[in-house]
Amino acid sequence: GAGVSQTPSNKVTEKGKYVELRCDPISGHTALYWYRQSLGQGPEFLIYFQGTGAADDSGLPNDRFFAVRPEGSVSTLKIQRTERGDSAVYLCASSASGLYNSPLHFGNGTRLTVT
Amino acid sequence: EDQVTQSPEALRLQEGESSSLNCSYTVSGLRGLFWYRQDPGKGPEFLFTLYSAGEEKEKERLKATLTKKESFLHITAPKPEDSATYLCAVQARGGNQFYFGTGTSLTVIP
Repeated sequence: GAGVSQTPSNKVTEKGKYVELRCDPISGHTALYWYRQSLGQGPEFLIYFQGTGAADDSGLPNDRFFAVRPEGSVSTLKIQRTERGDSAVYLCASSASGLYNSPLHFGNGTRLTVT
Repeated sequence: EDQVTQSPEALRLQEGESSSLNCSYTVSGLRGLFWYRQDPGKGPEFLFTLYSAGEEKEKERLKATLTKKESFLHITAPKPEDSATYLCAVQARGGNQFYFGTGTSLTVIP
């Protein structure tokens, strides 16, 4: 089946604007993760969903960041009042189960540029 | 604190010149160690999972090994198409986060 799909692939926005990034995981995968990757760095954890609920949101940097997964499939990462420091590639990953060693399968990310 | 350190940061090899990448980790009980390959502009692509010290996994020219403190990704007779960034990640027992290292950027020169 299809892999993890992320849209848009690129997003340019002005400082202070609101953005939404979408992730469509692999069908049947119950666990969904959001990561952020800056140039030359490894992915940095943001939030983890098991089903519809955010099981761990300890990586969200502040209250401008929020994510939802209302039906346990597609997820949306929402960033309010964007800042230039939010510029990065936002990666979404899904796995068959977040608890039992299943590897993450990543999408190609959304490159966010805040001007 | 769970931590992953990869070395070297960058590696240039001639085609056919074998080498190894290192991933050192500190974790409160290892659930799994994962190797990924990342090409420019793409998301990480899963390669291997290792669960316990002494375990080895192979795929084409790549072989991953695991000890209690580190993992190695051995590349035998690399080809230019093996050029990519290789990422290591660990998952701790009882947790759900995957902690990533900063990766090793491999360039294989024809």
